[in-house]
Amino acid sequence: AQKITQTQPGMFVQEKEAVTLDCTYDTSDPSYGLFWYKQPSSGEMIFLIYQGSYDQQNATEGRYSLNFQKARKSANLVISASQLGDSAMYFCAMREGYQGGKLIFGQGTELSVKP
Amino acid sequence: DAGVIQSPRHEVTEMGQEVTLRCKPISGHNSLFWYRQTMMRGLELLIYFNNNVPIDDSGMPEDRFSAKMPNASFSTLKIQPSEPRDSAVYFCASRPPSGGTMSGTQYFGPGTRLTVL
Repeated sequence: AQKITQTQPGMFVQEKEAVTLDCTYDTSDPSYGLFWYKQPSSGEMIFLIYQGSYDQQNATEGRYSLNFQKARKSANLVISASQLGDSAMYFCAMREGYQGGKLIFGQGTELSVKP
Repeated sequence: DAGVIQSPRHEVTEMGQEVTLRCKPISGHNSLFWYRQTMMRGLELLIYFNNNVPIDDSGMPEDRFSAKMPNASFSTLKIQPSEPRDSAVYFCASRPPSGGTMSGTQYFGPGTRLTVL
């Protein structure tokens, strides 16, 4: 069963606008972590933001914020004031357990920022 | 500080040849992960080590794949013999010890793009 679902294969956003990338997850473990990574065309995987299942507040890192809705099992990434350099693939990932091992990745969303 | 280092960055080989991918984790990190990325299957874990000990190798496709971590600063992923279906990007990632505010965050290397002809 797929545990991380990203339903948007591709998204477009106008430069300087905000954009939300969707991610839903499925787990029965009460302790888990949610991550977003960016993969530009150069191929590297860049860590963006982390949300723990027990965190009371939504995570923020600069222009990135994570809209964490635990009851709905969603962890959407919000990018404010989009820049051309934000064009990339974005992956949502989950770690089960307090530390856990592997990350389970979604299929990714390709974001294109238009000038 | 240096991030995760992988070599080579690109590898082109012929079917049947042995391929060795190398990884140096971030200093002080005690967990190391090997992932493979393909268009069909996305990102999937092959194996991970904790304190140099293999913990989960359930993602290793078959006996042709093997991984070692002889010390805290070096790991290899070997494919012997290689096949065209092994063509993919192979990522190494490392993770700091438990605890901290971002527990479990993995930091990825730049990847090795493997092409098996």
